[in-house]
Amino acid sequence: GENVEQHPSTLSVQEGDSAVIKCTYSDSASNYFPWYKQELGKRPQLIIDIRSNVGEKKDQRIAVTLNKTAKHFSLHITETQPEDSAVYFCAPAGGAQKLVFGQGTRLTINP
Amino acid sequence: NAGVTQTPKFRILKIGQSMTLQCTQDMNHNYMYWYRQDPGMGLKLIYYSVGAGITDKGEVPNGYNVSRSTTEDFPLRLELAAPSQTSVYFCASSVQGKETQYFGPGTRLLVL
Repeated sequence: GENVEQHPSTLSVQEGDSAVIKCTYSDSASNYFPWYKQELGKRPQLIIDIRSNVGEKKDQRIAVTLNKTAKHFSLHITETQPEDSAVYFCAPAGGAQKLVFGQGTRLTINP
Repeated sequence: NAGVTQTPKFRILKIGQSMTLQCTQDMNHNYMYWYRQDPGMGLKLIYYSVGAGITDKGEVPNGYNVSRSTTEDFPLRLELAAPSQTSVYFCASSVQGKETQYFGPGTRLLVL
């Protein structure tokens, strides 16, 4: 099955700085790569996703980059704001039509 | 649209008791999922369904059962509750397997 690892597990940045979270996966058949955000006590929500025919996708301050050869994809958040504080999960999907969630990265934005 | 709804929001069970967690979606999604999330951890897939009448095991199915008699509903049954089943349970749905999953608000379960 798919092995998914996220790094770092915790990340603290100053407001206005950038944050990068990396996700590595093992299944070479994976072709869908989403990132979910979960605020404290809330449900996970999709913030951005990318498919294997695209190397990078951007939505305002959020971007995802994909390196299929190296089997990793990354979440980039620029100009961080206090409301970006949350836990972020990668969840690549392979041939089994299921998402496999990483263990999460707790991002804290310091004012 | 209400999206994905779950009941109850919170429940305390005694060891050995049984209960059913309810999940309903009104988006006409084919795929539905049950996850559990232990404190400070990621989401682990318990069971999923690709359509009415079709269910399959996920990563951690032991101690649980599901059924999918309609497109809208996907209940999760806990038999003989154990302290290890203390967790937050999320139901989710999607159009297909590799599309956005929409999560319900979760059910917090405490087994004592």
